[in-house]
Amino acid sequence: QVQLVESGGGVVQPGGSLRLSCAASGFTFSSYGMHWVRQAPGKGLEWVAFIRYDGSNKYYADSVKGRFTISRDNSKNTLYLQMNSLRAEDTAVYYCAKVGDGDTDYWGQGTLVTVSS
Amino acid sequence: SYELTQPSSVSVSPGQTARITCSGDVLAKKYARWFQQKPGQAPVLVIYKDSERPSGIPERFSGSSSGTTVTLTISGAQVEDEADYYCYSAADNNYVFGTGTKVTVL
Repeated sequence: QVQLVESGGGVVQPGGSLRLSCAASGFTFSSYGMHWVRQAPGKGLEWVAFIRYDGSNKYYADSVKGRFTISRDNSKNTLYLQMNSLRAEDTAVYYCAKVGDGDTDYWGQGTLVTVSS
Repeated sequence: SYELTQPSSVSVSPGQTARITCSGDVLAKKYARWFQQKPGQAPVLVIYKDSERPSGIPERFSGSSSGTTVTLTISGAQVEDEADYYCYSAADNNYVFGTGTKVTVL
């Protein structure tokens, strides 16, 4: 069955860095664009970043542009999010997701990132 | 960048019909998807291409579109439908979720 498993979340101080990973299985990961989506505590869903199936193009929300980098390794079926210069407002559950292709979307269970001193 | 606006909350009695709207300029040219999210869980797709229902989603969920507004309808709402609902669309490499609607069934 399809699985997306995020890891790498935790507590980090403001200005610090964190790298999230998302291990995919059960579908042809290399055929699909992938997203990172976040949800601050008690708030709505916020799109963060997207990468095309082959990594050729990457797009970011204005709120993270210049600080976050999305990447993927199709040989390892893994999606990444490098987060630098973290701020308190980046505190959220981060989901990796395949969204928008056809009639099936896949979401991980999320990993919590807390930015606090 | 695009914006999608939803009402913050909708209340419905069990067995009645709930309607959730989502408005935004992007909807005039691109399809919308609807997600259901229950507390502590990841979102689940309930409608795609404005009105198509994925397999496994109950028939009481339906979608429609008119101009810059899409609507999710829950006909004969059940207690288990109580959740947050988000619309989503994408255009010109901009990806956006709606502001979210909390549906209460009581």
